[in-house]
Amino acid sequence: DAGVIQSPRHEVTEMGQEVTLRCKPISGHDYLFWYRQTMMRGLELLIYFNNNVPIDDSGMPEDRFSAKMPNASFSTLKIQPSEPRDSAVYFCASRNNYGYTFGSGTRLTVV
Amino acid sequence: AQKVTQAQTEISVVEKEDVTLDCVYETRDTTYYLFWYKQPPSGELVFLIRRNSFDEQNEISGRYSWNFQKSTSSFNFTITASQVVDSAVYFCALRGVNTGGFKTIFGAGTRLFVKA
Repeated sequence: DAGVIQSPRHEVTEMGQEVTLRCKPISGHDYLFWYRQTMMRGLELLIYFNNNVPIDDSGMPEDRFSAKMPNASFSTLKIQPSEPRDSAVYFCASRNNYGYTFGSGTRLTVV
Repeated sequence: AQKVTQAQTEISVVEKEDVTLDCVYETRDTTYYLFWYKQPPSGELVFLIRRNSFDEQNEISGRYSWNFQKSTSSFNFTITASQVVDSAVYFCALRGVNTGGFKTIFGAGTRLFVKA
């Protein structure tokens, strides 16, 4: 089991550009979560899916953020247009009966 | 409302010392889960433990132990005989089942430095 796989590990982009973060959950996990970690706000839940359906996106900061889960093995988090304040580490996690498994995170820097 | 408070921002100990990381939570749910995660300098989040609100038995796993006290709404984490590799940020988290859905609320984290 390769765990939750996120790509890219690091992303540096210019303000205004579109950024797409990718996540492959653990096979068989029916919940997928996107979190953002910043120094100021800690870990925040952005959105989560159950069986590929978005259940709660109240944590998505604004309309520039969108997330999709077209199938059980893939999800994306898109920021368009990106801004410097979006710089953070973005974690994807999937859930089993015991707990969450997090991906290694994507460190996003918007300059 | 749900809330997790980790009052200790940073703790510094010398190797082999025991250290306790505090976690206090608030929830109106009668059924909830509590978690601890470790984030080493490499940045990934590592799941350590999950406890449900009906199981107040303390748990020990090697040098790690957890003390769950519903009466004080606390779920403290003790590392015995700390090692340099224990240096990390540790997050306590809460998920309420009745009203929280699957939202997990994280504390701000406690940064632990273990010096050789």
